[in-house]
Amino acid sequence: KAGVTQTPRYLIKTRGQQVTLSCSPISGHRSVSWYQQTPGQGLQFLFEYFSETQRNKGNFPGRFSGRQFSNSRSEMNVSTLELGDSALYLCASSLERALDYEQYFGPGTRLTVT
Amino acid sequence: AQSVAQPEDQVNVAEGNPLTVKCTYSVSGNPYLFWYVQYPNRGLQFLLKYITGDNLVKGSYGFEAEFNKSQTSFHLKKPSALVSDSALYFCAVRDMTGSASKIIFGSGTRLSIRP
Repeated sequence: KAGVTQTPRYLIKTRGQQVTLSCSPISGHRSVSWYQQTPGQGLQFLFEYFSETQRNKGNFPGRFSGRQFSNSRSEMNVSTLELGDSALYLCASSLERALDYEQYFGPGTRLTVT
Repeated sequence: AQSVAQPEDQVNVAEGNPLTVKCTYSVSGNPYLFWYVQYPNRGLQFLLKYITGDNLVKGSYGFEAEFNKSQTSFHLKKPSALVSDSALYFCAVRDMTGSASKIIFGSGTRLSIRP
């Protein structure tokens, strides 16, 4: 079974731009979660989508948004990029609720904001 | 607020020796606890979880974790370390407080196994 895939793997943007990251979960998984990983803040939960609905959300500003499609694929959008948004963005999928079940992570998208 | 702490940034162990990576938590209600590992240039991988049941949880790659309610700890253990166990380990807890639920990760512990 194919794992979680994320595209693109690397991205360089300038301040003020917006960016869209994509995540394809493992086949049959209905939950997709997004995380931001930085050396300073560690791993932080962004949000979780389940059956096209956002179920949970972390403490991030409204510039961070996401959506999930009917095939469970998910996109994350960051508008008005700031230097501090430079991070590794990880997507994870799970069979059901991410809070109860083990998650399977993708390799991440490395975003650099200049 | 619910939280999880990994008190050691780095743990160094000789190959063949037992290893322990520490994790303590603070939650209201029953804790849901997880361990994940991040190998260099690879994504996070699930190791094991505790939701209910036996206090000793067995997971992938020979790892196990001991849930101790009185000490609010969930330490990761392995009887005999391998060099290939060298990686970054994260403890995580489910947070059901507030208007939204989420998973909180610890700051991570870098495990280094010397040959």
